[in-house]
Amino acid sequence: GQQLNQSPQSMFIQEGEDVSMNCTSSSIFNTWLWYKQDPGEGPVLLIALYKAGELTSNGRLTAQFGITRKDSFLNISASIPSDVGIYFCAALTQGGSEKLVFGKGTKLTVNP
Amino acid sequence: KAGVTQTPRYLIKTRGQQVTLSCSPISGHRSVSWYQQTPGQGLQFLFEYFSETQRNKGNFPGRFSGRQFSNSRSEMNVSTLELGDSALYLCASSVDRPNEKLFFGSGTQLSVL
Repeated sequence: GQQLNQSPQSMFIQEGEDVSMNCTSSSIFNTWLWYKQDPGEGPVLLIALYKAGELTSNGRLTAQFGITRKDSFLNISASIPSDVGIYFCAALTQGGSEKLVFGKGTKLTVNP
Repeated sequence: KAGVTQTPRYLIKTRGQQVTLSCSPISGHRSVSWYQQTPGQGLQFLFEYFSETQRNKGNFPGRFSGRQFSNSRSEMNVSTLELGDSALYLCASSVDRPNEKLFFGSGTQLSVL
């Protein structure tokens, strides 16, 4: 099936450290997305990627669309306490019945 | 512009009961998707509605159903509740198809005792 394998499951870091997480699949996708979910809220889109090899930044966040189109990476530089939350990768299926499929998330804890 | 509104925020039910959850999409959005979120499984796609028609469906049993009204508001229903149905149910809307411009509500937290 179209599953996304996201790692790591959780991360505990100190404020100021950089963070990396990734998402892989056995399927090819044309759109990769990264979301953040704060406690008690729904996921919010951080970055959208549309082209293999694309590198896109949003402030301290940088995401890349893997050249095989089967993976994506998210980096957060100089983490701050408000970066705490769950980060999800997602990919858009195509072919007439579009939907977003999600990874299981990376729970990030930032110690001040 | 108001966001996606889900009601109620919290629900407690017992096994065997049924439940109905409501979602009001962003004004002008006609596509509504539903997801189940559990700690172990992440977000699992339930179904998507567009123009009052179910356009796509995930791998959930028939106890999970939904509908969409002419004003694009959507409801999902779970019958004969099981303990494993305890989860956060998220609704998301987009203009005409699920894509990167998918906006999520805050969810309904369902606890089945």
